[in-house]
Amino acid sequence: GAVVSQHPSRVICKSGTSVKIECRSLDFQATTMFWYRQFPKQSLMLMATSNEGSKATYEQGVEKDKFLINHASLTLSTLTVTSAHPEDSSFYICSAGAGSTGTQYFGPGTRLLVL
Amino acid sequence: GEDVEQSLFLSVREGDSSVINCTYTDSSSTYLYWYKQEPGAGLQLLTYIFSNMDMKQDQRLTVLLNKKDKHLSLRIADTQTGDSAIYFCAEPLGGYSTLTFGKGTMLLVSP
Repeated sequence: GAVVSQHPSRVICKSGTSVKIECRSLDFQATTMFWYRQFPKQSLMLMATSNEGSKATYEQGVEKDKFLINHASLTLSTLTVTSAHPEDSSFYICSAGAGSTGTQYFGPGTRLLVL
Repeated sequence: GEDVEQSLFLSVREGDSSVINCTYTDSSSTYLYWYKQEPGAGLQLLTYIFSNMDMKQDQRLTVLLNKKDKHLSLRIADTQTGDSAIYFCAEPLGGYSTLTFGKGTMLLVSP
């Protein structure tokens, strides 16, 4: 149980285009989902917390107009990187909170490369 | 501060025990977590410990918690080459579920 998927697993795009990443909780409902960014050999940096049916809460320094988050249902959250630039190239990981312990279950990540 | 501290690198031989250490900051954290990340993959929850426990054992994994020193450790018995990965400890901050991660400990297991 507690499986989280992400799609796509990797994407290469041209500078200036927008990229949408989906995060799904496959066998449980997640009222809260999280989006992280991870640079090579570094820890995870929380970008935003997404609650179903409400606006996402962004961490300091994360541009909400750049990284659009939509959490339309209890099993799906999407992150759209708008007008992507090479510096947005990174590994993006989502997670979903489940259970009374507040444990987060992570997706497999999406590697974004912007040329 | 809000830093979760971990040593960055650990190298062991196959069959030995590995001990990965972590210090955390929030004494009111109810749960503390260990995650494993293999190359190019997301994070896999390994185990977690409730703050009213000082030890939890799950097969080859033993978690020790010293609340007084805010010190958490993960022991892997009979370490295998497949255990080579980055291990993150994490504590929740600000309530329900926001996690703060350490920088991760890279475990390298040699045959």
